[in-house]
Amino acid sequence: NAGVTQTPKFRVLKTGQSMTLLCAQDMNHEYMYWYRQDPGMGLRLIHYSVGEGTTAKGEVPDGYNVSRLKKQNFLLGLESAAPSQTSVYFCASSYSGQGGFYTEAFFGQGTRLTVV
Amino acid sequence: AQSVAQPEDQVNVAEGNPLTVKCTYSVSGNPYLFWYVQYPNRGLQFLLKYITGDNLVKGSYGFEAEFNKSQTSFHLKKPSALVSDSALYFCAVSASGRGSTLGRLYFGRGTQLTVWP
Repeated sequence: NAGVTQTPKFRVLKTGQSMTLLCAQDMNHEYMYWYRQDPGMGLRLIHYSVGEGTTAKGEVPDGYNVSRLKKQNFLLGLESAAPSQTSVYFCASSYSGQGGFYTEAFFGQGTRLTVV
Repeated sequence: AQSVAQPEDQVNVAEGNPLTVKCTYSVSGNPYLFWYVQYPNRGLQFLLKYITGDNLVKGSYGFEAEFNKSQTSFHLKKPSALVSDSALYFCAVSASGRGSTLGRLYFGRGTQLTVWP
């Protein structure tokens, strides 16, 4: 099983450029998340989705947009990249277990983005 | 509001000694607690979780964690540390109930564990 796959793995952007990060999961999970990881900050939630066609803002959504047109894919877009968006981005997915609790999240390998 | 605190940025321990990585949480409703490990340039790997039941939870690679409701803690432990355990460890919490926190994990800032030979 592939699990959670992120593309690309590395990217360098110039300030003002746009790009889309793709996350794909093959586990039929309902919930998908985009986090960014910065040194000493832990993981901060950017946006998340609780199902196909639905998205919601997380802790640090400014400068990002997302879409979930298909259950297995969750796209993160940067419309006009800024140096402050230099980070490692992680996608994750999870599902609701018996009794309504949420299972552990499965993470992709990350995308290292540098904005110059 | 949900939050997780990992009070130690770094933990250093000699190989063969027991290790503890601390985590405390604040959550509305019943907590679901998780530990993850991250090796350099890798994604997060799930170690163990507490949903309900026994307060002592056993997970991967010989790790275990103890849930303490009165102290709102979920400390990660291992009886005998290995050099290969050196990594970044994250505690995370999710809460029961509906609304804006649906399915969301709240992470601590991480604790760098170094095990020296």
